[in-house]
Amino acid sequence: QKEVEQNSGPLSVPEGAIASLNCTYSDRGSQSFFWYRQYSGKSPELIMFIYSNGDKEDGRFTAQLNKASQYVSLLIRDSQPSDSATYLCAVFIYSSASKIIFGSGTRLSIRP
Amino acid sequence: DAGVTQSPTHLIKTRGQQVTLRCSPKSGHDTVSWYQQALGQGPQFIFQYYEEEERQRGNFPDRFSGHQFPNYSSELNVNALLLGDSALYLCASSLPGLAGVSGNTIYFGEGSWLTVV
Repeated sequence: QKEVEQNSGPLSVPEGAIASLNCTYSDRGSQSFFWYRQYSGKSPELIMFIYSNGDKEDGRFTAQLNKASQYVSLLIRDSQPSDSATYLCAVFIYSSASKIIFGSGTRLSIRP
Repeated sequence: DAGVTQSPTHLIKTRGQQVTLRCSPKSGHDTVSWYQQALGQGPQFIFQYYEEEERQRGNFPDRFSGHQFPNYSSELNVNALLLGDSALYLCASSLPGLAGVSGNTIYFGEGSWLTVV
């Protein structure tokens, strides 16, 4: 079982709709959760992080965390063509050192 | 405020050669992590440096080594290059401790694209 799992997509969503991206993780010791956006040929760009159960909103983005179900999601409201990218879910584990484990990413395509 | 800077941005090497990639962390950050991202995959953790020591290592062979300097900058060295080492190499900087709390987030550089032929 992979430590962080995401559907690879592509996920196709019409412009203006809500895009929903999902991620599950296996390590119950995971403490913080990140969503990164990566455009083709570019490095990952942090969208937001969450570490408490529930919802966290930032503009058009909402991260949702359910530690009991080991599930984290990202909602993008009013999807725009510029949101078309690969979205990486990442989990922070603090043991003897801090490290982030990434999922393989979900490709999101917003169709006009 | 300079972010994470990496060099070189692109390079091509031949199988069996050695390569050194460099990273300067974001101002105020003292922890540097290196990741390898193959095409179509998420970044894979290579290792992390703090106080000039390797603190943790991912599942990578000893051909991958690193160093951190007193100014917190870091190098990634890969010996005996294989075709499979072709990837985007990402450097990330942070403060030590719990990421995502108190604004301690992890920032990535633009990466170094390595092609092994």
